[in-house]
Amino acid sequence: NAGVTQTPKFRILKIGQSMTLQCTQDMNHNYMYWYRQDPGMGLKLIYYSVGAGITDKGEVPNGYNVSRSTTEDFPLRLELAAPSQTSVYFCASSYGEYQETQYFGPGTRLLVL
Amino acid sequence: GNSVTQMEGPVTLSEEAFLTINCTYTATGYPSLFWYVQYPGEGLQLLLKATKADDKGSNKGFEATYRKETTSFHLEKGSVQVSDSAVYFCALIRSNFGNEKLTFGTGTRLTIIP
Repeated sequence: NAGVTQTPKFRILKIGQSMTLQCTQDMNHNYMYWYRQDPGMGLKLIYYSVGAGITDKGEVPNGYNVSRSTTEDFPLRLELAAPSQTSVYFCASSYGEYQETQYFGPGTRLLVL
Repeated sequence: GNSVTQMEGPVTLSEEAFLTINCTYTATGYPSLFWYVQYPGEGLQLLLKATKADDKGSNKGFEATYRKETTSFHLEKGSVQVSDSAVYFCALIRSNFGNEKLTFGTGTRLTIIP
């Protein structure tokens, strides 16, 4: 049981480039989330999804896009990367309505130069 | 809005020492409270939780008691091990509000030296 997997583990982008962070879960969870973690800060919610075909903005959605075509996959797209998007990105999933126990991937470290 | 405040790290302790990591919160209503732990190179995982006042969550020798009167959820362990070295996050969610999401603290890095 792999849980939540993320790729890549680390990436360096130039300003203005775009990329997709991949996230897959094999637990048949309905809810999936993308967070970013900046140094010395807590996790901030970027986008979330309550099921295939349904996504919604979190606290810090600007500069990002998501899609949810299957239950398993929840990719995060960065368009026109900016230095402010340098961060560690975590994908998570959960089963229950109140999202009480979230299962996290190992994270993707992104550096925008 | 909701907020979680954790003691600043890093915290360094010797093996078998007593651990306390402070966490206080601000939220209206009746939040559920959590401690998540992030081991090196891994994602966060739930350590323990408490869903109502005076509940005690416990797991792997760690404990935390939901204190509504002091709006606190301090994490404690009587005797830490090197394997407890990790980053610890306090978090809350107001479960009785639809569409609420987890609010995390900034995390506290704990290092245990042999």
